[in-house]
Amino acid sequence: QLQLQESGPGLVKPSETLSLTCAVSGASISSSASYWGWIRQPPGKGLEWIGTIYYSGTTYYKPSLKSRVIISMDTSKNQFSLNLSSVTAPDTAVYYCATLDSTSAGYFYYWGQGTLVTVSS
Amino acid sequence: DVQMTQSPATLSASVGDRVTITCRASQTISSWLAWYQQKPGKAPKLLIYKTSSLESGVPSRFSGSGSGTEFTLTISSLQPDDFATYYCQQYNTYSRTFGQGTKLEIK
Repeated sequence: QLQLQESGPGLVKPSETLSLTCAVSGASISSSASYWGWIRQPPGKGLEWIGTIYYSGTTYYKPSLKSRVIISMDTSKNQFSLNLSSVTAPDTAVYYCATLDSTSAGYFYYWGQGTLVTVSS
Repeated sequence: DVQMTQSPATLSASVGDRVTITCRASQTISSWLAWYQQKPGKAPKLLIYKTSSLESGVPSRFSGSGSGTEFTLTISSLQPDDFATYYCQQYNTYSRTFGQGTKLEIK
């Protein structure tokens, strides 16, 4: 059974880098036609796509976040990661990792439970 | 980015009602649209993909339609479990975008 679990610090200081990991079980992140992504949701607000990484390592990022985001994968640990640099208060959100469908890599068919990250000094 | 606009922002309805939520794209997205349901404190759940394809396990009272720039999610007969927030998401471009959400409340 597929499971995704986010982990990382719940509190990050302004100007520092937010780093989260998504551990995947029940599937290999390097399998052909597997796609993985990060989405966030500020408290009380809507969903915002951050970026996607393909099994090949190809990445796509939200244009407005592109200069601060890196998504990478560690196949030896079957996990992928999010690094968001120079964070400020508006980066406070619940961060979700998810897997995308294998046909179009378009929609998120399975999500982790999410982890709240607060940006504060 | 393709902008996705949902309406209404809030919808009050009763059990048994038929309700429709609309999602409009700022440019054509063909049929590359998904719908999600989110309950408080939970991750979103996929309901529909490619405009009208029902995800496995999702009740048949949910349906989707549309193409191009205008799409709808319809719940044919509201059940107590359906009161939640609903989001559309386009995947016509590599840059995915969500609508701002529609909160479905009990009248």
